[in-house]
Amino acid sequence: DAGVIQSPRHEVTEMGQEVTLRCKPISGHDYLFWYRQTMMRGLELLIYFNNNVPIDDSGMPEDRFSAKMPNASFSTLKIQPSEPRDSAVYFCASSLWGRGYEQYFGPGTRLTVT
Amino acid sequence: DAKTTQPNSMESNEEEPVHLPCNHSTISGTDYIHWYRQLPSQGPEYVIHGLTSNVNNRMASLAIAEDRKSSTLILHRATLRDAAVYYCTQTGNQFYFGTGTSLTVIP
Repeated sequence: DAGVIQSPRHEVTEMGQEVTLRCKPISGHDYLFWYRQTMMRGLELLIYFNNNVPIDDSGMPEDRFSAKMPNASFSTLKIQPSEPRDSAVYFCASSLWGRGYEQYFGPGTRLTVT
Repeated sequence: DAKTTQPNSMESNEEEPVHLPCNHSTISGTDYIHWYRQLPSQGPEYVIHGLTSNVNNRMASLAIAEDRKSSTLILHRATLRDAAVYYCTQTGNQFYFGTGTSLTVIP
C-alpha cells in the first residue's frame, strides 16, 4: 500500500488566493482526518469524515476553510481567501473504524501564505 | 474536552530506558489511549494503543494506570533514532494531540 498521499507537498501563495490541498486515504479506511500543525498551537484536528460524511468540523477555524470528501478515495481542504496566519503544515490521516484503531498520517503539505 | 497533558521535553541517554508520562484526567470508560511519535519533517506515526491492560509491541510498551487517569510509554533502550516528539491521545469524538513531549537522546 502506498500509504496516505497528499498533494502538493509544498505550496506558496499570496494572501487572498484560493488554496486547495488534496488527500488520498489508504484504500479501505473509512475515517479521514485533516490536521493543522504550527509551532504555536501544535497539532490540531480540523475536521473528520466517516464514510465520506463530515462528522465533526468544530476544529475548522472559520468560514474561509472548507473540506469535502466526494468519494472514499479523495478529499480536499480548501482555504479561500488565504491569509498569512494560515501558514502551517496540513496533515491528512486515515484510519479504520476510528476509535480503537491507529491513524496513518500522510507526509503533509507545507503551506506558506505571503 | 478530551485533553491530555504531557511534559514539554525530556532527555535520555542512549541505550537507557525512557518513561514518557501522560495524564488523562478527562478520559471516559470507552476511550482508547494512543501514542504517536513524530520524527523531524515527517507526519506522526502510530506507536501503540490500549484500553485498560498494559500492551507491548516491537516499538514500545504501554503501561496504563488502574484508574486510567495516566499512562506511560516505555522505550526499553533509547536510540538516537527515537529522538522525536511523542504524543499521547485519548479517543472520544475528537483527537486531541496537543504539543507532545520532545525527546532528546544523548549519545
